[in-house]
Amino acid sequence: GAGVSQSPSNKVTEKGKDVELRCDPISGHTALYWYRQSLGQGLEFLIYFQGNSAPDKSGLPSDRFSAERTGGSVSTLTIQRTQQEDSAVYLCAGGGRGDNNEQFFGPGTRLTVL
Amino acid sequence: AQKITQTQPGMFVQEKEAVTLDCTYDTSDPSYGLFWYKQPSSGEMIFLIYQGSYDQQNATEGRYSLNFQKARKSANLVISASQLGDSAMYFCAMRRRGATNKLIFGTGTLLAVQP
Repeated sequence: GAGVSQSPSNKVTEKGKDVELRCDPISGHTALYWYRQSLGQGLEFLIYFQGNSAPDKSGLPSDRFSAERTGGSVSTLTIQRTQQEDSAVYLCAGGGRGDNNEQFFGPGTRLTVL
Repeated sequence: AQKITQTQPGMFVQEKEAVTLDCTYDTSDPSYGLFWYKQPSSGEMIFLIYQGSYDQQNATEGRYSLNFQKARKSANLVISASQLGDSAMYFCAMRRRGATNKLIFGTGTLLAVQP
């Protein structure tokens, strides 16, 4: 596809369950980011992948959160033992390595933890 | 620590008029980039405009311009000739050059364009 895709678009889960969110970036984009947007808030950085370098995990809020990027393309964000405060929109973005390269965002996954 | 501040939670503007959305930032880095994104009700984040800290001229992209005042650490977005389709959330963001390139976002301004 032409843009960043994310799946599912919506996910409702019960507290304590694990969830996986998927991001498929634009082909050729070496950088991939995950952000979280809570209701009425700005975006909060979670994790960054750049090529084969070790990811920057400094934004992950707890060890229940993890992410991987296979083959430098598709990325999966996993949240284990979900809590109600995990409810948010999870946005994926991709881009080039240049300093002024814009980040292209996907449509997001709206996660609701009951 | 880096921080972006958007002090206007909401703004109204009449169609065809210009509007300025405020953004101030705090950083000790000499090199950084500033971005504005638009988020309509559909939820997608749409890139609008970029300003580098060493750019001599204010950035412009069509009806969008960035009023960059480095000494005041402000990067206000000016939208000229507002259209109904401009109604959305607008986020200012900052990125350090050469680092992770993660974006630090402000809390956003909700713009409503009235006919």
